[in-house]
Amino acid sequence: AQSVTQPDIHITVSEGASLELRCNYSYGATPYLFWYVQSPGQGLQLLLKYFSGDTLVQGIKGFEAEFKRSQSSFNLRKPSVHWSDAAEYFCAVGSNSGNTPLVFGKGTRLSVIA
Amino acid sequence: GAGVSQSPSNKVTEKGKDVELRCDPISGHTALYWYRQSLGQGLEFLIYFQGNSAPDKSGLPSDRFSAERTGGSVSTLTIQRTQQEDSAVYLCASNDPVSPLHFGNGTRLTVT
Repeated sequence: AQSVTQPDIHITVSEGASLELRCNYSYGATPYLFWYVQSPGQGLQLLLKYFSGDTLVQGIKGFEAEFKRSQSSFNLRKPSVHWSDAAEYFCAVGSNSGNTPLVFGKGTRLSVIA
Repeated sequence: GAGVSQSPSNKVTEKGKDVELRCDPISGHTALYWYRQSLGQGLEFLIYFQGNSAPDKSGLPSDRFSAERTGGSVSTLTIQRTQQEDSAVYLCASNDPVSPLHFGNGTRLTVT
């Protein structure tokens, strides 16, 4: 069965510092991978996705993620965090057939301090 | 409508009552999902509709939960005899196959 693990429940970084949020997945076939962000009181917004091709994908708001098949990982990165990046981040995995629902991790809450 | 619409945005109900939550997906999207988000639990899959196929109900936590999708569009999630542990935000999402999910803003359900 598909599963997603986000090992860090809560991360605090200083504004301007770099960020990496970890995501590991378990999936028997070629996965489709996603990162979503949920700002306080807001709905879920897609940051980026990996379907195939280049394993380094660029997303909105300056985020990027790298798919590493050998490590079953899809970590999210940003070189310089802004205070507005404080939010909950969810990694998700789905099938390339589109016939099964996305499975989400439990999320990582990001706090940004001055 | 430009996005997924859910109603009501907030619902407070007494324990034991039935509730209905509505989702209006993006026009033309063939797939519709219901998820539940509880504090610290991430997004829990509930049920998935894809076109005319039988829905995937594998995530429904009990037989008090049911959902239907009429005419391949609007969906209603029904919770019978609500319990306090049903309190959560219920999220609906839709997409075309293999495209990213578009989420609604959710219905916050509080069972007192």
